[in-house]
Amino acid sequence: AQSVTQPDIHITVSEGASLELRCNYSYGATPYLFWYVQSPGQGLQLLLKYFSGDTLVQGIKGFEAEFKRSQSSFNLRKPSVHWSDAAEYFCAVNNNAGNMLTFGGGTRLMVKP
Amino acid sequence: DGGITQSPKYLFRKEGQNVTLSCEQNLNHDAMYWYRQDPGQGLRLIYYSQIVNDFQKGDIAEGYSVSREKKESFPLTVTSAQKNPTAFYLCASSRDNNQPQHFGDGTRLSIL
Repeated sequence: AQSVTQPDIHITVSEGASLELRCNYSYGATPYLFWYVQSPGQGLQLLLKYFSGDTLVQGIKGFEAEFKRSQSSFNLRKPSVHWSDAAEYFCAVNNNAGNMLTFGGGTRLMVKP
Repeated sequence: DGGITQSPKYLFRKEGQNVTLSCEQNLNHDAMYWYRQDPGQGLRLIYYSQIVNDFQKGDIAEGYSVSREKKESFPLTVTSAQKNPTAFYLCASSRDNNQPQHFGDGTRLSIL
């Protein structure tokens, strides 16, 4: 069965600093990969997705993620964090064979002024 | 604007009572999903439907029921058999299983 691990439950960064949120997945072939962001009391918004092709994908709000097959990782990055980026971030995987999304447990990002 | 509408935003249930959470989408998506979110546990799939008049159980379907009589609607009933219903419930839809899911703003259910 596929699984997704987000090792960091909480991360705090200073505004303007760079950010990397980790995501590791367990699946035999190349999955479809997603990052979502959730503000408190809201639904999830899609930041970016990887299906195939270029392993560095660009998303909304200045985020990017890199698919590394050898490490089974899909880490999310942003060069300079803004206070409005404070939220919870979820990595998700779909095994592209018609099965459902599997979500990681989420990483809560706090931004210091 | 196309999107997913969940109602109500807050819902309270008495012991032994069934309650129904509404989810409507105008994105013309075939697939719809219900998730439960508890603090620190991410999202867990309750039920999903790939087409009208058809739905399947997810990972935590016990104590829940759904219907899919119309393409745009996928209501979730939390029955009295669900002993720990307090949670944040999220509805989502997608063109098909492999496309990104779009989420509503959720319903927070609490027990009186």
